[in-house]
Amino acid sequence: EAGVAQSPRYKIIEKRQSVAFWCNPISGHATLYWYQQILGQGPKLLIQFQNNGVVDDSQLPKDRFSAERLKGVDSTLKIQPAKLEDSAVYLCASSQQGLNNSPLHFGNGTRLTVT
Amino acid sequence: GQQVMQIPQYQHVQEGEDFTTYCNSSTTLSNIQWYKQRPGGHPVFLIQLVKSGEVKKQKRLTFQFGEAKKNSSLHITATQTTDVGTYFCAGAGGTSYGKLTFGQGTILTVHP
Repeated sequence: EAGVAQSPRYKIIEKRQSVAFWCNPISGHATLYWYQQILGQGPKLLIQFQNNGVVDDSQLPKDRFSAERLKGVDSTLKIQPAKLEDSAVYLCASSQQGLNNSPLHFGNGTRLTVT
Repeated sequence: GQQVMQIPQYQHVQEGEDFTTYCNSSTTLSNIQWYKQRPGGHPVFLIQLVKSGEVKKQKRLTFQFGEAKKNSSLHITATQTTDVGTYFCAGAGGTSYGKLTFGQGTILTVHP
């Protein structure tokens, strides 16, 4: 089974610029997550989709971050404008049902550096 | 909101020694999951615990879920260099689509 695909692997931008990340989940997985992992910390959930609807975006800084999952498959996460504190690895994950019993399958992540 | 804390933050062991990491939640959990992240890699699912007092084993790894479903532990017997990485617990709340909250992880280094 193909894993969760993410691109790009690395991105370096200047503060106030915009950036977008792309994620393709495992085929058939209804739930898609975007996590932010700052160096030395655990992943923090930014947004959770069930098919193409948002289940949880309580920790998404909505003044600068946006995410969409058109057609319930691929997803994009955008930051505009970026701040220095956005430097982190952005992990996409998917699971089969989004219920509490479903393990998360993570992609390799996008490492963002904001200078 | 829900908080999940892990201790210790770091653990250095000699190969062959045992290792334990502990996870505590501020709220009762419906289930807890454990993940391992190798240096430079992404978190990989290890196991899920659902029942109060549950104990599960995977070869040298033993996972426990507390009776009150607010704490958990991971114990590795006779560590090997391949055990190196960061171990995260992640707790799920009570709703069907409960958010999975990760602890800050325990970084394990194993000296040969």
